[in-house]
Amino acid sequence: DTAVSQTPKYLVTQMGNDKSIKCEQNLGHDTMYWYKQDSKKFLKIMFSYNNKELIINETVPNRFSPKSPDKAHLNLHINSLELGDSAVYFCASSPSRASPQETQYFGPGTRLLVL
Amino acid sequence: RKEVEQDPGPFNVPEGATVAFNCTYSNSASQSFFWYRQDCRKEPKLLMSVYSSGNEDGRFTAQLNRASQYISLLIRDSKLSDSATYLCVVNNQAGTALIFGKGTTLSVSS
Repeated sequence: DTAVSQTPKYLVTQMGNDKSIKCEQNLGHDTMYWYKQDSKKFLKIMFSYNNKELIINETVPNRFSPKSPDKAHLNLHINSLELGDSAVYFCASSPSRASPQETQYFGPGTRLLVL
Repeated sequence: RKEVEQDPGPFNVPEGATVAFNCTYSNSASQSFFWYRQDCRKEPKLLMSVYSSGNEDGRFTAQLNRASQYISLLIRDSKLSDSATYLCVVNNQAGTALIFGKGTTLSVSS
């Protein structure tokens, strides 16, 4: 039973395309996150949703749009992909907004390569 | 000053060695501190939380010095399976998210 799952695991695409990454958690958590880990291995938060409500939106280009259809899902749509978007994207979840600093459970990551 | 700073290493040690990692953080209001472990091409996983009084989990000991805004992780009797990147993590000023350091890479050899 995978606690936090992401699809696809690998994504290779051309510049200018639009792509989506899906994330699902079966832990019953209220809060979900998207992180980006670049080639230098620096892991940085992009977005956070609590029970379908956006609570964190870091300085991320508006080509990136998260969508949370329900509290168990947080998808990431990227428009007009650029070379610099190549990275590993991790989804994560934690029990609640009140204590997001509790253990965060990460998905396996989606490796995006933009050519 | 970066929010969370770590020596990137790599630290190359033989099995059985004791190794220590250090981390400093810039936000004096941070209340929560952790060490996460990330294996190559895998997701980060919580190794241990860090408490003001210091805490130990088997071969791993974490220490926090709030006055110096400094966190440490000590690994005793290193195993081959300890080879990974260790991420120092603190919560942000609003307490709504975690800030990750770039990580310290450990390689344990036989």
